Amino acid sequence: EAQVTQNPRYLITVTGKKLTVTCSQNMNHEYMSWYRQDPGLGLRQIYYSMNVEVTDKGDVPEGYKVSRKEKRNFPLILESPSPNQTSLYFCASSFHRTSGRTNEQFFGPGTRLTVL
Amino acid sequence: GESVGLHLPTLSVQEGDNSIINCAYSNSASDYFIWYKQESGKGPQFIIDIRSNMDKRQGQRVTVLLNKTVKHLSLQIAATQPGDSAVYFCAHNRGGAQKLVFGQGTRLTINP
Repeated sequence: EAQVTQNPRYLITVTGKKLTVTCSQNMNHEYMSWYRQDPGLGLRQIYYSMNVEVTDKGDVPEGYKVSRKEKRNFPLILESPSPNQTSLYFCASSFHRTSGRTNEQFFGPGTRLTVL
Repeated sequence: GESVGLHLPTLSVQEGDNSIINCAYSNSASDYFIWYKQESGKGPQFIIDIRSNMDKRQGQRVTVLLNKTVKHLSLQIAATQPGDSAVYFCAHNRGGAQKLVFGQGTRLTINP
């Protein structure tokens, strides 16, 4: 089944304790992205990657890191989480824009993170 | 500044009626405008997109209308069903890149 998977789905942690949220897709997509979703603010892009070893900042990158060592994986790293990073996080993937099919991003099920 | 907004945060319709969800935008440089649906507890799901040089596009039970003069986008859902209950987001593809900018969402509720 074609899908984007995220782990963990739920996480409660404390301020300053490093964490990683994994994201994996099995559709051979070049493009991957991380979003956070907060009430009243919709979905905001954190980081994105056009291909392996190519990453760039989205609209709200502060406090986050990413890496793209393999095509299928795009982990989100919070080196020192803070309470304002409490949010619902989504990973998404799609084909590269040259394929003409870039608007259909496939989203994972979400990771609900609480930072105390 | 750049924004993709929605006229109403909630919309309630009777089952079987047509639903119209509206969206206003400010960035005229977008190549595409897109609608996503998010059901409770799930990630957003692509519904339909429309290129900026078009004014109408139809899918299965859905129609998207784009009025560039007033910078307005709408999603029409025909014969609304209980499974259409969700939050609907409009988004735009900014300047030819693959970065999507999302609006805040409209919650569609279906009354039996």
